[in-house]
Amino acid sequence: GENVEQHPSTLSVQEGDSAVIKCTYSDSASNYFPWYKQELGKRPQLIIDIRSNVGEKKDQRIAVTLNKTAKHFSLHITETQPEDSAVYFCAATGDNDMRFGAGTRLTVKP
Amino acid sequence: KAGVTQTPRYLIKTRGQQVTLSCSPISGHRSVSWYQQTPGQGLQFLFEYFSETQRNKGNFPGRFSGRQFSNSRSEMNVSTLELGDSALYLCASSFGTSGTDTQYFGPGTRLTVL
Repeated sequence: GENVEQHPSTLSVQEGDSAVIKCTYSDSASNYFPWYKQELGKRPQLIIDIRSNVGEKKDQRIAVTLNKTAKHFSLHITETQPEDSAVYFCAATGDNDMRFGAGTRLTVKP
Repeated sequence: KAGVTQTPRYLIKTRGQQVTLSCSPISGHRSVSWYQQTPGQGLQFLFEYFSETQRNKGNFPGRFSGRQFSNSRSEMNVSTLELGDSALYLCASSFGTSGTDTQYFGPGTRLTVL
């Protein structure tokens, strides 16, 4: 089955700086890669996703890049704000179930 | 559209008991997936149901089971509860299977086993 590794497990940045979270996956058949943000005590919420026929996708301050050859994808957050503080999960899926990375706790210091 | 709902939100049980959790997907969604979330293990996939059929199953013992009804509502059952079953149980629904469509999560049921 799919195995997803996520790094780093914790990330602390100064407000205004950029944050990058990286994930690798094992199943070359995976073709859908969502990113979820989970604030304390709340449900995970989709923030951006990318499919394997696209190399990069942007939505305002958030972007995701995908390298299918290397089997890794990354989340980029620019101009970070304190409200970006949360746990971020990457996931990968193909025809089978969706597997999640272990999560990255992002802290943005004002 | 109403979001994914889960009941109950909190549950306290003792070892050896069994528990049933319920998930109502977004209207029109046919897939429901279940996940166990613990501080040390992150989000672990339990199983996915699509059109009343179990489509995939994660690496959990047979004490964990589920089903889906014709209205796409799903239940999961855990028998012979163990202390290690204490966790937040999340369900997520999608229109198509989890491999094709975006999943939307419910608020979760927090299970505490004493």
